[in-house]
Amino acid sequence: EDQVTQSPEALRLQEGESSSLNCSYTVSGLRGLFWYRQDPGKGPEFLFTLYSAGEEKEKERLKATLTKKESFLHITAPKPEDSATYLCAVQGNTGNQFYFGTGTSLTVIP
Amino acid sequence: DVKVTQSSRYLVKRTGEKVFLECVQDMDHENMFWYRQDPGLGLRLIYFSYDVKMKEKGDIPEGYSVSREKKERFSLILESASTNQTSMYLCASSSPVGTSGRRQYFGPGTRLTVL
Repeated sequence: EDQVTQSPEALRLQEGESSSLNCSYTVSGLRGLFWYRQDPGKGPEFLFTLYSAGEEKEKERLKATLTKKESFLHITAPKPEDSATYLCAVQGNTGNQFYFGTGTSLTVIP
Repeated sequence: DVKVTQSSRYLVKRTGEKVFLECVQDMDHENMFWYRQDPGLGLRLIYFSYDVKMKEKGDIPEGYSVSREKKERFSLILESASTNQTSMYLCASSSPVGTSGRRQYFGPGTRLTVL
């Protein structure tokens, strides 16, 4: 069964304190792994798509990496505006469905 | 700028009422999805549609139905609203998966409260 697990559930960082969020997955024939950012009361906002092990994508202070079993979202020198919930989802070869993790709630303290 | 819009940001209904949530996308996507999001449970798929008039049940379809008469519009219907359907409802659309996955585009969400 396709499954996504994110850790930690919540993370508090001081401004400038770098860290990583984890997304572990099991899926039949990975077609894509997706990272989204979600602010309270809003819809998820797309960040990255990763397609194969070894791939990396960067955007400002965020860098996403992918292995055959997990993905990491690295946050370098975070700022308070990076505070949000980060969601991970996968899509496999069994159809058009997406499987989501429960998210990591990130708080960056000034 | 591509968009997924939802008919209401906030909605308050009474138990037993019939509730319609509308979603419209302007990207000519074949696939559309309805999720509900609750604290600690993440996004749970209610229904999705891969073509006009086509639908498939997701993980939690009980108490819900959907309608897709036009490609750009996907409606979620709560036949008789109950308090346990109080939640954030999110609509999304995407192109069909091919050899590579296709990202979803999400709407802003509808916060539904059933009293």
